[in-house]
Amino acid sequence: SQQGEEDPQALSIQEGENATMNCSYKTSINNLQWYRQNSGRGLVHLILIRSNEREKHSGRLRVTLDTSKKSSSLLITASRAADTASYFCATPVAGTYKYIFGTGTRLKVLA
Amino acid sequence: DAMVIQNPRYQVTQFGKPVTLSCSQTLNHNVMYWYQQKSSQAPKLLFHYYDKDFNNEADTPDNFQSRRPNTSFCFLDIRSPGLGDAAMYLCATSSLDRGREETQYFGPGTRLLVL
Repeated sequence: SQQGEEDPQALSIQEGENATMNCSYKTSINNLQWYRQNSGRGLVHLILIRSNEREKHSGRLRVTLDTSKKSSSLLITASRAADTASYFCATPVAGTYKYIFGTGTRLKVLA
Repeated sequence: DAMVIQNPRYQVTQFGKPVTLSCSQTLNHNVMYWYQQKSSQAPKLLFHYYDKDFNNEADTPDNFQSRRPNTSFCFLDIRSPGLGDAAMYLCATSSLDRGREETQYFGPGTRLLVL
């Protein structure tokens, strides 16, 4: 399977703490994307990092990419209860218009 | 606001009774996707269209069909739903006009229940 792996599968933290989730993938990529999914809803795009970038920031989000290790991490700083959701990484499949999603991390932020 | 709309949000059908889920978009994106997502799992691609060019995943059951009559609309037909087809069905779009780095825009999903 080409599916990426994410860890941890589930993460529970207190409000104000930082949350880190990791994604590993199997093939060469030109970009990697992170999405958030609130319970029972569609996915929302958070951030895209290109293969020639090592780090990218967007508000409280920080994404890193290590193409040599085929891995990426998403850091959410100063978490809030509203950050409670599932987070998925996604990578494009070379030569196609398709994307492969990772297994996801379920984040729960306790108020 | 430009968006991806899915109807209905909840669909209940009976075992073996055909059902159609619909998706529309106001983004004028040329690529549309249908995903199946079961509880606590990643979205699984069923098929996608590049304009009218249909692309089926190898492991998508024959029970699942799709139609894209125009740029804005795409339909998912499940000919004979089984209990294992109960899931969230997500429609997404992307535009490749600016290269292959475009993000996907998702609809809110249709949750299908098979009785």
